[in-house]
Amino acid sequence: NAGVTQTPKFQVLKTGQSMTLQCAQDMNHEYMSWYRQDPGMGLRLIHYSVGAGITDQGEVPNGYNVSRSTTEDFPLRLLSAAPSQTSVYFCASSYTRDSYGYTFGSGTRLTVV
Amino acid sequence: SQQGEEDPQALSIQEGENATMNCSYKTSINNLQWYRQNSGRGLVHLILIRSNEREKHSGRLRVTLDTSKKSSSLLITASRAADTASYFCATQLKETSGSRLTFGEGTQLTVNP
Repeated sequence: NAGVTQTPKFQVLKTGQSMTLQCAQDMNHEYMSWYRQDPGMGLRLIHYSVGAGITDQGEVPNGYNVSRSTTEDFPLRLLSAAPSQTSVYFCASSYTRDSYGYTFGSGTRLTVV
Repeated sequence: SQQGEEDPQALSIQEGENATMNCSYKTSINNLQWYRQNSGRGLVHLILIRSNEREKHSGRLRVTLDTSKKSSSLLITASRAADTASYFCATQLKETSGSRLTFGEGTQLTVNP
């Protein structure tokens, strides 16, 4: 089924550990983004990409790295996990033209202890 | 800071009633989008309205946009229990084109059977 696939769905990390959240889409979308969702704060943009090889920082990029080597994949790396990074993470993708909305993945619930 | 702010934060109605949610934003936009999020799930795109449009319909949804007041409203007519969800507005700013979405904090809608 076409869409945005995120793995894992759940993850518990210890403070200081690193990990990569995976995101893949099969719709040939140029735009991809990572958001975090915290209670009462809506969704905040972490990093985004407008195409393979091109990434940029969003609103809350500290502590996270991204790369975009292919159109399909946009992994998010946590360098050294902190309790403040406990959140639900969503990956989303879209065509470039402004008349399209974004397709979201089902999310990764991350807990840092 | 969040670009969009939804009002009310929570809304509880009876099945069959109409539900109206409002969104205000701060800077010039290319378009404004509405998303729905069921509990524990990813966001689903509902409707997009461009800055040069004033009203748009999709099924039981009606969206209006007033760029002079920097505000939008989402009307759900003849609500159903299945409409229970959080609803978010998101803006694409003129200066960032389609690569970034900025979300509000959402309205939690409860439709009682």
